[in-house]
Amino acid sequence: RKEVEQDPGPFNVPEGATVAFNCTYSNSASQSFFWYRQDCRKEPKLLMSVYSSGNEDGRFTAQLNRASQYISLLIRDSKLSDSATYLCVTSRGDSSYKLIFGSGTRLLVRP
Amino acid sequence: NAGVTQTPKFRVLKTGQSMTLLCAQDMNHEYMYWYRQDPGMGLRLIHYSVGEGTTAKGEVPDGYNVSRLKKQNFLLGLESAAPSQTSVYFCASTDRAGASNTGELFFGEGSRLTVL
Repeated sequence: RKEVEQDPGPFNVPEGATVAFNCTYSNSASQSFFWYRQDCRKEPKLLMSVYSSGNEDGRFTAQLNRASQYISLLIRDSKLSDSATYLCVTSRGDSSYKLIFGSGTRLLVRP
Repeated sequence: NAGVTQTPKFRVLKTGQSMTLLCAQDMNHEYMYWYRQDPGMGLRLIHYSVGEGTTAKGEVPDGYNVSRLKKQNFLLGLESAAPSQTSVYFCASTDRAGASNTGELFFGEGSRLTVL
């Protein structure tokens, strides 16, 4: 079983739609959580960190449920430019700062 | 603004050949990582380094070796390439402040390796 599991999608939504991605992690020692974005044939880039209290960055909202070991990302008012793969990422918080990546959820936003 | 630079960006090898991927970063980062990305598998950590002169194994280290002789460079070597090593390889780096505060890794553009 993968340490970080995501629905691969693709999620195909119209512009302006709200879409939510979910992610589960199996290692209870995970300390930190992130969402990365990866455009086709490009490198991953940090989208946002995920905090226990939930956090928002413009149209993006991230939630963490430690009890259920579950992370979510909500995108409101989808734009064509949001089309990408979204990677759920955890870290065990040890001194190596290694990140564990999910396999990603692909989002396609259509006109 | 070079950031993290990987060379080469593309390479085709025959089974059994050797090669080295070079990762160079100009941000004075202590931590460097090599990941491979395969369809449906996400990024998997091959080896990493927490400082000059140190290296450690990640999740999928077999068939690879690494060296970090200089702080800014992290080399990934394939001694005898196999078709299973066909993949996209990403190098990444961060510093202690970045890692602990934001979790941000800075990635290179990737190196696409095909082993025939």
